[in-house]
Amino acid sequence: TQLLEQSPQFLSIQEGENLTVYCNSSSVFSSLQWYRQEPGEGPVLLVTVVTGGEVKKLKRLTFQFGDARKDSSLHITAAQPGDTGLYLCAGFGGTSYGKLTFGQGTILTVHP
Amino acid sequence: ETGVTQSPTHLIKTRGQQVTLRCSSQSGHNTVSWYQQALGQGPQFIFQYYREEENGRGNFPPRFSGLQFPNYSSELNVNALELDDSALYLCASSLLGQVNEKLFFGSGTQLSVL
Repeated sequence: TQLLEQSPQFLSIQEGENLTVYCNSSSVFSSLQWYRQEPGEGPVLLVTVVTGGEVKKLKRLTFQFGDARKDSSLHITAAQPGDTGLYLCAGFGGTSYGKLTFGQGTILTVHP
Repeated sequence: ETGVTQSPTHLIKTRGQQVTLRCSSQSGHNTVSWYQQALGQGPQFIFQYYREEENGRGNFPPRFSGLQFPNYSSELNVNALELDDSALYLCASSLLGQVNEKLFFGSGTQLSVL
């Protein structure tokens, strides 16, 4: 069974601060995705990382895939209240199309 | 907006009843996956449908079943509801076989079992 562990589970910060969310596993994933979910909505895809060591930037968000494709991180620079939400990492394993294994999520609250 | 619509948005049932949840996938997508998200947890994979057949299943009992129709819309059926079935049920559509498959999620159906 493939498992993804996210940390921290909760994060409460002030506007303008930086933060990092971690996603770790003992399993190798063919690719890893990060989603953001708001209350009453489904997850929305932010990024997909495929290659070990890959770094992708999306405005103030930086995503990194570990060299061994077992872990990933999400770094947000100068957080804003609009960044508030549940951040989920999810991995595709093997040939299980559509079967995403999700982490338990990180609830981020950014206070003005 | 993802183009994936789910109905109903909220539902209250009692233990032992049966429920049917519906999902219309995004235009051009041929695959539908269903996920269960308990409060405070990440979504868990229930099963996937492709070409009207089950194409992969997670660790859920047989009382969770599904259908996919020729227009690629889908249903999730749950029989003999239990209290622990209370959760947000998410449907995601995708195009099977594309590189770096992208899933587009609906807003979900919030099921409460009393």
